[in-house]
Parts: sequence; C-alpha cells; structure tokens
Amino acid sequence: DAGVIQSPRHEVTEMGQEVTLRCKPISGHNSLFWYRQTMMRGLELLIYFNNNVPIDDSGMPEDRFSAKMPNASFSTLKIQPSEPRDSAVYFCASSPRTGTLDTQYFGPGTRLTVL
Amino acid sequence: AQSVTQPDIHITVSEGASLELRCNYSYGATPYLFWYVQSPGQGLQLLLKYFSGDTLVQGIKGFEAEFKRSQSSFNLRKPSVHWSDAAEYFCAVDNSGGSNYKLTFGKGTLLTVNP
Repeated sequence: DAGVIQSPRHEVTEMGQEVTLRCKPISGHNSLFWYRQTMMRGLELLIYFNNNVPIDDSGMPEDRFSAKMPNASFSTLKIQPSEPRDSAVYFCASSPRTGTLDTQYFGPGTRLTVL
Repeated sequence: AQSVTQPDIHITVSEGASLELRCNYSYGATPYLFWYVQSPGQGLQLLLKYFSGDTLVQGIKGFEAEFKRSQSSFNLRKPSVHWSDAAEYFCAVDNSGGSNYKLTFGKGTLLTVNP
C-alpha cells in the first residue's frame, strides 16, 4: 500500500491567499484526521472524520479553516484567507477503526509557509 | 482533559548506549498510551501502544515501554541505540474517553545519536 498521500509537500503563499491541502487516506480506512504541528504548540488535532462525516472539529482554530471529505478516498483542508500564523506542518492520518486501539497512520505532511 | 509531559526536550546518547525517554501523563482512569517516532521530513510512525494487560509493551525497532500507574509514567526504552534511531519521539494519550481518536501529544523529545 502506498500509505497516506498528501499534496503538496510544500506550499508557500502570501497572506490573504486561499490554501488547499489534500489527503488520500489508506484504502479501506474509514477514519481520517487532520493535525497541525508547530514549534510553539506541538501536534494538535484539528478535525476527525469517521465514514466521511466530521465527528469532532473542536480543534479547528477559527472560521478561516474548513475541511471536507467528499468520499472515502479524499479529503481537503482549506484556509481562506491565510495568515502568517498559519505557517506549520499539516499532517493527515487515517485509521481502519477495526477495534479499540486502532493505529493512526500518518502521511508525510505538508509544510505551509504564509508570507 | 488528559495531558502528556515529556520532560526532556533533547537527549544525546552514544551509539550502542541504552536509552530511556520519559513520559508522564495525567488521567484518572487507565489511559490508552502511545509512542510515535518522527524522522526528519517524515510523518509519525507508531512504535508501540498500551491499553491494558502486561505493563511492559514491546514495539517495533527493538523499543519497549513500561506503564507504571503509581508514577503516571510510560517511559520508552531501548537497550542499545543505533544511529538510525536519531529522530523525534512523541508520547501520546487518547483523550477521547475511550473512543480512541483524539490523541493528545507531548511536545516531543529530540534524540541525537553520536557515533
């Protein structure tokens, strides 16, 4: 299996622009997670989907952030408008949800720089 | 909410030496605990996990961790470190009340291995 695929791997944009990050989970996994990693705050869960439905979005920092999962094989995280403080590495992870202690499999991340 | 503390930001060991990375958690009940490793430019990979049973957990790459309820600790150990173990290590606890989706991560410990 190719693992979790994220694109782009690097994104540099200017403040105020719209940014869209993409994720393809592992085939057959029905849970998907978006995380943000910064030096100051470490790794934070932004949103969690189960069977394409958002279950917990309490970690989404503000209305500028939105996430969708139109089908089982694709998810997007959008920031509009972007701000310099959004600069971070954004990870997508997926999980099979087959039992009590499912492993989350992480993608390589997208490094976002907002100038 | 549960929290995780990794007291050591950076540890340096010599190749072949033993390793122990510390992790403390705060939670009233038995927690679900994880150790992940992140190599430079990569996503996180699960090393091991604990939710019940034997308090000594074996993981991949020769790592093990011991759950000690009395000390609220879940320290990661390896008897002999290899240069390829240089990476950042994250301890995490499930913060979703047993639903096993909301991982709360520690700030990480960066491991440097000297030849």
